[in-house]
Amino acid sequence: QKEVEQNSGPLSVPEGAIASLNCTYSDRGSQSFFWYRQYSGKSPELIMFIYSNGDKEDGRFTAQLNKASQYVSLLIRDSQPSDSATYLCAVSYFGNEKLTFGTGTRLTIIP
Amino acid sequence: DGGITQSPKYLFRKEGQNVTLSCEQNLNHDAMYWYRQDPGQGLRLIYYSQIVNDFQKGDIAEGYSVSREKKESFPLTVTSAQKNPTAFYLCASSPRAISSPLHFGNGTRLTVT
Repeated sequence: QKEVEQNSGPLSVPEGAIASLNCTYSDRGSQSFFWYRQYSGKSPELIMFIYSNGDKEDGRFTAQLNKASQYVSLLIRDSQPSDSATYLCAVSYFGNEKLTFGTGTRLTIIP
Repeated sequence: DGGITQSPKYLFRKEGQNVTLSCEQNLNHDAMYWYRQDPGQGLRLIYYSQIVNDFQKGDIAEGYSVSREKKESFPLTVTSAQKNPTAFYLCASSPRAISSPLHFGNGTRLTVT
């Protein structure tokens, strides 16, 4: 059973600080990694995706992938109250067309 | 504007009734998916389809059925055999099946009493 694990939180971060969200996965055959943001009662929206080891930056967001340690993280710089949401990590595996989702981390930015 | 349309947004049914959730996309995506989300939980895959007239069971297919007669449409039927049908149902699509991000519709919240 391929697993994707996240700390459910809640994670509370002061406004303007860096929020760090982590995700671990069980299968070394994992190929692609995605971060989705989901506001309460809404559908998930794609924030970042990363395929290669290292960092990928997009505005205030940075995704970090370490395949040797089997984790992927999302950093949010200069956190804003509008960043308060649940963040879902998703992983796809080579030869497998499905995405496996973690249960999500609830992030609260404190003004 | 291109996107994925799910209807209705809210749906109420009595126990024992079948109900069909609509999902239409105009993104010209080949692959379509149905997920279920329960409160405080992640997304669980019900069914997916990579091509017209073909679909595969996901992790929790029991009590559900789908069809893919057109590229744009992937309706989900929640049958009376589904023991706990009350949930938030999300339809998604992607341009190709492997390693592509999913684009989600706005979801249908189904309540069965």
